[in-house]
Amino acid sequence: AQSVTQPDIHITVSEGASLELRCNYSYGATPYLFWYVQSPGQGLQLLLKYFSGDTLVQGIKGFEAEFKRSQSSFNLRKPSVHWSDAAEYFCAVGPNFGNEKLTFGTGTRLTIIP
Amino acid sequence: ETGVTQSPTHLIKTRGQQVTLRCSSQSGHNTVSWYQQALGQGPQFIFQYYREEENGRGNFPPRFSGLQFPNYSSELNVNALELDDSALYLCASSPTSGVPVAQYFGPGTRLLVL
Repeated sequence: AQSVTQPDIHITVSEGASLELRCNYSYGATPYLFWYVQSPGQGLQLLLKYFSGDTLVQGIKGFEAEFKRSQSSFNLRKPSVHWSDAAEYFCAVGPNFGNEKLTFGTGTRLTIIP
Repeated sequence: ETGVTQSPTHLIKTRGQQVTLRCSSQSGHNTVSWYQQALGQGPQFIFQYYREEENGRGNFPPRFSGLQFPNYSSELNVNALELDDSALYLCASSPTSGVPVAQYFGPGTRLLVL
């Protein structure tokens, strides 16, 4: 069965500092991987996705993520955070035969301090 | 291009009642998935509809049912509501099923069961 672990429940970062959010997955083959962001009371917005090819993927809002098969990880990074990045971030894994059933982690809440 | 829309935005029901939530998929998308997000948790897959047929189901009881219409909009019906059904219900659409694509989420319907 596929699963996702986001080890950090809550992270606090100063505005302008770099950010890395961790995501580890369990899946029997190469999965499809996603990062979504959720602002309070809102739905999920897709930040980026990995299906195959280059293991470093670029997304919206200056985010990037790196797929490391050996570590079963797909960590999200941003070189310099902005106050507007404060939100909940979810990593998700999908099966490599289609797009049904995304399995999400429990999320990491990001707080930005001035 | 219109994104995924959901109605209503908020809903209050009492235990034992029935509820219907609605979703309009993004233009050009023929696949709709439904997720339940309890407070402080990641979204959990309920089921997916493709070409008006259920195309995968998560670990939810039969009192959770759905429909997809010829215009690809969808409904989620929940019978015999329980207190634990209180959650944010998210609808996501994608262009097709069986190939690698991302799912795009609507803003959700927040259901409170008293």
